[in-house]
Amino acid sequence: EADIYQTPRYLVIGTGKKITLECSQTMGHDKMYWYQQDPGMELHLIHYSYGVNSTEKGDLSSESTVSRIRTEHFPLTLESARPSHTSQYLCASRARTSGNTIYFGEGSWLTVV
Amino acid sequence: AQSVTQLGSHVSVSEGALVLLRCNYSSSVPPYLFWYVQYPNQGLQLLLKYTTGATLVKGINGFEAEFKKSETSFHLTKPSAHMSDAAEYFCAVSEGNYGQNFVFGPGTRLSVLP
Repeated sequence: EADIYQTPRYLVIGTGKKITLECSQTMGHDKMYWYQQDPGMELHLIHYSYGVNSTEKGDLSSESTVSRIRTEHFPLTLESARPSHTSQYLCASRARTSGNTIYFGEGSWLTVV
Repeated sequence: AQSVTQLGSHVSVSEGALVLLRCNYSSSVPPYLFWYVQYPNQGLQLLLKYTTGATLVKGINGFEAEFKKSETSFHLTKPSAHMSDAAEYFCAVSEGNYGQNFVFGPGTRLSVLP
């Protein structure tokens, strides 16, 4: 059973607002990821981190930013939300000791109106 | 570079019928292979994985998958579908235990008809 938590689960905000999606894992995993997924669609990697103070952009260009100040914490921030940011955001983590398995949080559904 | 293809974006089966979801991969090194399931409004949950050893892997909820190197396939099966199996299924590949990349397929939506 994976211990990775995302908050909020559901959020509706107005255009132009700043939002931070929180992600924490208690497994000590070094690698963490953010994926964006529209309903019924494939996963798109938007950010990843291989350790503290390491962040990289993923395959899909995103206007969001991330930080990795602590191993267990990998928040994603949108400085100015737009309706095009409406989507589900999935946080995940991975470690070699877990057989290279990726574990996912429950997801954060963001709606920008 | 690795890649994953899943034949059929949507598969429908009757309750009690065989479930077969197809996954083919490409990898330049021995792969680790995974199947994940996603129920509505939830994250992805690991169903099963192949790392090394026995090529027939059993997972949760009665699912199993067989690694066939010669066919570069990792198809997911279940002998008898249940209504609760309706979900999105994702196949994924990584470059062994030290591979940095982890690539997901586009997903297959499984519908189970009464």
